[in-house]
Amino acid sequence: EAQVTQNPRYLITVTGKKLTVTCSQNMNHEYMSWYRQDPGLGLRQIYYSMNVEVTDKGDVPEGYKVSRKEKRNFPLILESPSPNQTSLYFCASKGWGGTGDEKLFFGSGTQLSVL
Amino acid sequence: GENVEQHPSTLSVQEGDSAVIKCTYSDSASNYFPWYKQELGKGPQLIIDIRSNVGEKKDQRIAVTLNKTAKHFSLHITETQPEDSAVYFCAASAGTSYGKLTFGQGTILTVHP
Repeated sequence: EAQVTQNPRYLITVTGKKLTVTCSQNMNHEYMSWYRQDPGLGLRQIYYSMNVEVTDKGDVPEGYKVSRKEKRNFPLILESPSPNQTSLYFCASKGWGGTGDEKLFFGSGTQLSVL
Repeated sequence: GENVEQHPSTLSVQEGDSAVIKCTYSDSASNYFPWYKQELGKGPQLIIDIRSNVGEKKDQRIAVTLNKTAKHFSLHITETQPEDSAVYFCAASAGTSYGKLTFGQGTILTVHP
C-alpha cells in the first residue's frame, strides 16, 4: 500500500533532550516536506526536500534540522527541544495522485509534547 | 513571503445545505491552490485543486473558484452530508514544483443531520 509512515505517533520528552521523528515513503517520491500544525495557525512548513541531499527551509525552520540521505527517508531532528515546539507534526511526500495531477500525501502525524 | 488568510474559522450547516469557505493570498506569483480535508486523527488529504490558468473546477459536490485579480479562491460544497464534517485547509504555492506551500488557518466544518 502506498503510504507515508511517521514514527512515533506520540512522543513526550523534556526540554533539551535531542529527538528524531522518522518519516518514510514507499512511493519513490522525490519531494518530501515537514509541517507543524497548531490551533488557529493551520499547517506551517518547516523544511522541504526536492531530492536526495537537497533540502531547504520552509516558513518556520528555527530549532529543527533535517537530512535526506536516501530518497525514501526524511527524518526531522530537534537538537534541543523547547516547550514552544510542542505541536502536531506531519510529514508529506509529493507524487502523482492518479488523476493526472501531482498531490501531497500526508502521514498520520506525530503529537509531540515538550515539558 | 506568501500569506494565506482563511475564513470562517468555524462553519456549521444543516445536512443538505451548501458550505462556502474563502481564502485570500498575498503573492501574485502563486499559481497553484489546493484544498485539503483533515478528519480527526488523520493527516490532511487533497480533495480538489486549481491552477491559475483556470477559473473554476468541479468534482461532484465540491467546486473551487479562483479570482486572480482579487487574489482569492473559494471552496464550495453542495448538498452537504455529515461525513463532510472535518477541518478544511486551503493552500497556495508559486512555481510548478510548489516547493513552498503556504496553508490557511483552517475551517472546522460541522454538518448537522
